[in-house]
Amino acid sequence: DTEVTQTPKHLVMGMTNKKSLKCEQHMGHRAMYWYKQKAKKPPELMFVYSYEKLSINESVPSRFSPECPNSSLLNLHLHALQPEDSALYLCASSRSAGELFFGEGSRLTVL
Amino acid sequence: SQQGEEDPQALSIQEGENATMNCSYKTSINNLQWYRQNSGRGLVHLILIRSNEREKHSGRLRVTLDTSKKSSSLLITASRAADTASYFCATLPNDYKLSFGAGTTVTVRA
Repeated sequence: DTEVTQTPKHLVMGMTNKKSLKCEQHMGHRAMYWYKQKAKKPPELMFVYSYEKLSINESVPSRFSPECPNSSLLNLHLHALQPEDSALYLCASSRSAGELFFGEGSRLTVL
Repeated sequence: SQQGEEDPQALSIQEGENATMNCSYKTSINNLQWYRQNSGRGLVHLILIRSNEREKHSGRLRVTLDTSKKSSSLLITASRAADTASYFCATLPNDYKLSFGAGTTVTVRA
């Protein structure tokens, strides 16, 4: 069982849709992350929220926008995505420089 | 961008045998971590080794770290079918952005 909960587990959306992925943790961690993983590839870091400060991987397109309403929640807003954005999106949390706890991921398909 | 490179890319072994995989990285690190991922699922943390440590054990896992060669190895002893998974090394540089290597896919045959 994971202590990081991601919803939904599966999402299918069209290129004109707006949707959101949600992530929640109750471990008191102050850092939360979004990773994108394509099939047979390693996870790639998209965003880091650490102590309410956002750090962005500059290669991530603006059609992805993170939101951190509080220290337990992390959302990823999706708008005007492309088919190549189809992937497994993984949320994780951690204490400062320790291990990451991952959720089970949200499988996104863009039609 | 990926910091770590792993080899081999894939490994097939018989149950009971040992599995060894290697990871090399490019820049200085705070620590190095190993994760396991079963197909299509989230990653599970296995072990963390700090930059001032050389070897660490956890159950059937043994990790070494050589900072002079910028390399690490993960040994799984007495493998089981349940060890079938992808294994990733991940390096934590000083900017605290954990970066994953390409991964090694391990298949344990019964």
